[in-house]
Amino acid sequence: QKEVEQDPGPLSVPEGAIVSLNCTYSNSAFQYFMWYRQYSRKGPELLMYTYSSGNKEDGRFTAQVDKSSKYISLFIRDSQPSDSATYLCAMRELNTGNQFYFGTGTSLTVIP
Amino acid sequence: DGGITQSPKYLFRKEGQNVTLSCEQNLNHDAMYWYRQDPGQGLRLIYYSQIVNDFQKGDIAEGYSVSREKKESFPLTVTSAQKNPTAFYLCASMNQGAGEKLFFGSGTQLSVL
Repeated sequence: QKEVEQDPGPLSVPEGAIVSLNCTYSNSAFQYFMWYRQYSRKGPELLMYTYSSGNKEDGRFTAQVDKSSKYISLFIRDSQPSDSATYLCAMRELNTGNQFYFGTGTSLTVIP
Repeated sequence: DGGITQSPKYLFRKEGQNVTLSCEQNLNHDAMYWYRQDPGQGLRLIYYSQIVNDFQKGDIAEGYSVSREKKESFPLTVTSAQKNPTAFYLCASMNQGAGEKLFFGSGTQLSVL
């Protein structure tokens, strides 16, 4: 079983839709949770960063962490064609080395 | 501007040749990483370094080598022992103890001639 599981999609939605992206994980020691956006053949860009449980909102983006279910989500409101990209989740433990664990990414297309 | 610079953007390797990918950061970050990205496989860790003159193997270190002689620089050499080097290579860095956020460079696409 992989440490982090992420549905690869592809996911296709109309402009203006609410998008929900999800990852599950198996390691209960993960404390830091991140979402990255990656355009084709570019480096991943950090979108959201959360420590431990709870929600975090930044503009049209909301990140949720449910540690009891080992489940994290990224919601995109009023999706735009410019949101079309691959979204990667990542996580790591607290104070145990410096390794990050990544999902395989979900490909999203927002149709105008 | 502060950031992570990878070069070249595209690189071609001939059979039996070693090639070196450059990664430079001016963020004053302690830790630096090299990842390999293949379609459908996500990011796989090649090597990482937490401090100058020290580095650790990741999950797929065979056929690769690194050095960390300066805090700002973490070059990756793809040796002739790496039989399937075609991939997108990403360098990243993190400032330990200051939010633990990982930032990436723009990547290098390596292909075999």
